[in-house]
Amino acid sequence: KAGVTQTPRYLIKTRGQQVTLSCSPISGHRSVSWYQQTPGQGLQFLFEYFSETQRNKGNFPGRFSGRQFSNSRSEMNVSTLELGDSALYLCASSWVNAPTYEQYFGPGTRLTVT
Amino acid sequence: AQSVTQLGSHVSVSEGALVLLRCNYSSSVPPYLFWYVQYPNQGLQLLLKYTTGATLVKGINGFEAEFKKSETSFHLTKPSAHMSDAAEYFCAVSDQNTLNTGGFKTIFGAGTRPFVKA
Repeated sequence: KAGVTQTPRYLIKTRGQQVTLSCSPISGHRSVSWYQQTPGQGLQFLFEYFSETQRNKGNFPGRFSGRQFSNSRSEMNVSTLELGDSALYLCASSWVNAPTYEQYFGPGTRLTVT
Repeated sequence: AQSVTQLGSHVSVSEGALVLLRCNYSSSVPPYLFWYVQYPNQGLQLLLKYTTGATLVKGINGFEAEFKKSETSFHLTKPSAHMSDAAEYFCAVSDQNTLNTGGFKTIFGAGTRPFVKA
């Protein structure tokens, strides 16, 4: 069974631009969560989607948004990029959206904002 | 609110010696606890988890962890360190979303990286 895939793996953008990252969960998994990982803040929860609906959201500004499609694939969008948005963005999928289930992580998208 | 504290961002251990990575959590409800490992340029991989039942949990690669409610701890151990254990280890706590939207949220600790000496 294929793992979680994220595209692109690396991305360089300029301040003020917007970016869209994509995540394909493991087949059959319906819950997708997004995390931002930085050396200073560690792993921070962005949001979680299940059945095309955002079920939970972390403490990030409205510039960060996401969506989930009917095939469970998910995208996250960051508008008006800032230098501080440079990070590794990790996507994780889970069979259901329950806290007892483990999450399977993709390799991440490394975003650099210049 | 949930929180996770991992004591020490780096720990030094000799090859063959006990590995001990500490994790303390704060949660207002019975916690669901996880340890994940991250190798360079990779995503996180589950080592083990505690949800209910036996408080001593065994995971992959020889790791185990014990849930101690009275100490609000979930320390990770491995009897004998190996060079291949050099990675970053994250303790995490998951909880149901309190907004009744059916979701959940996972809070991660800052991570601990063991330095294995030959």
